[in-house]
Amino acid sequence: NAGVTQTPKFRVLKTGQSMTLLCAQDMNHEYMYWYRQDPGMGLRLIHYSVGEGTTAKGEVPDGYNVSRLKKQNFLLGLESAAPSQTSVYFCASSSLAGGKYFGPGTRLTVT
Amino acid sequence: DAKTTQPNSMESNEEEPVHLPCNHSTISGTDYIHWYRQLPSQGPEYVIHGLTSNVNNRMASLAIAEDRKSSTLILHRATLRDAAVYYCILRGGLSGGTSYGKLTFGQGTILTVHP
Repeated sequence: NAGVTQTPKFRVLKTGQSMTLLCAQDMNHEYMYWYRQDPGMGLRLIHYSVGEGTTAKGEVPDGYNVSRLKKQNFLLGLESAAPSQTSVYFCASSSLAGGKYFGPGTRLTVT
Repeated sequence: DAKTTQPNSMESNEEEPVHLPCNHSTISGTDYIHWYRQLPSQGPEYVIHGLTSNVNNRMASLAIAEDRKSSTLILHRATLRDAAVYYCILRGGLSGGTSYGKLTFGQGTILTVHP
């Protein structure tokens, strides 16, 4: 099993550009999540999904959109990137009460 | 989220057992005890979780006190690859909404493993 994979690993954007981060899991987990991690801030939940076709807002959803068209994929979109969105983005998946399995992260820089 | 308290740092020698403590005196009856670890520049890694009974998996064991107010993560034979920051987190198992996905990492315990 590959577990949780994220694409791309690194990206540099100019302010105002858009991009989509892809997360894929092969563990048949119902739940998927997008987090961002900034130095000294810990993990903050952006959006999450409790099943195919469903999404919900987390702690810091502004400026991001998500979609879960297939159970194994969870996409995070930035429509108009801002320097404040420079961060490391982690995707995770889990069963209802199980542990979360994280991807390797995407390091995004917005200039 | 209920608060957990962990020592800032611990040290161990390679191939020796390591016991990482966590206090959670305000734990509620439905809170699961989760442990994660994170190496520099890597994503968090799930280690183990439990509710009331002690748990074992290929990575570690989790010993939970009878009153559930504390727990101990046990690495049976530390390796250099186990050097990381270890986080003890409480999560409501069946709660919905933002609180379910929220994963509040406290300071954690920095584990140093000496060769």
